[in-house]
Amino acid sequence: DADVTQTPRNRITKTGKRIMLECSQTKGHDRMYWYRQDPGLGLRLIYYSFDVKDINKGEISDGYSVSRQAQAKFSLSLESAIPNQTALYFCATSDAGTGVTNEKLFFGSGTQLSVL
Amino acid sequence: TQLLEQSPQFLSIQEGENLTVYCNSSSVFSSLQWYRQEPGEGPVLLVTVVTGGEVKKLKRLTFQFGDARKDSSLHITAAQPGDTGLYLCAGVGGSQGNLIFGKGTKLSVKP
Repeated sequence: DADVTQTPRNRITKTGKRIMLECSQTKGHDRMYWYRQDPGLGLRLIYYSFDVKDINKGEISDGYSVSRQAQAKFSLSLESAIPNQTALYFCATSDAGTGVTNEKLFFGSGTQLSVL
Repeated sequence: TQLLEQSPQFLSIQEGENLTVYCNSSSVFSSLQWYRQEPGEGPVLLVTVVTGGEVKKLKRLTFQFGDARKDSSLHITAAQPGDTGLYLCAGVGGSQGNLIFGKGTKLSVKP
């Protein structure tokens, strides 16, 4: 079984719909992240959480919200989806290593979201 | 804003050839990481380089961190089709001290 599991793997939705992407991990890591990947733009950070009570905005948080339901679960919501949110979304976890220079990210397999 | 620029953006070569891809910045990074992403999967960490001038080897892959810690390179010897993928470099930076990623080099190795 994968250490970082994302559901669904693929999703097609319509403009204006609310949608939730889910992420669960069995690595026991405190830190969890949501990224989106667009061709030619690389990976961009949406939100991150260092523990259950800690939620932080990333580079591109507008139009998104998150919930950290437990150490192992971090979900991403699009309250009213729009076509330019069509992208590949990744959840990642980290144990922060022995310091920021040693932080290693472990990624899920991604959710391909299409907003029509 | 710290940026990581990767080059080339695309690279298509034949099996057995050697190649080098680059990750450059005008800013100093405390460390740089390289990830490989295969189609349909998330990125997987290959290596972290920390010390200026450091060289690390992972089988046929050689990673180097520039002396000034502003750039890094990845050299692949005798490329194989299994090396095909998107190679991403990442470093701690930005206003929030999180990992920032370059846009990647998409490598295709043909048999």
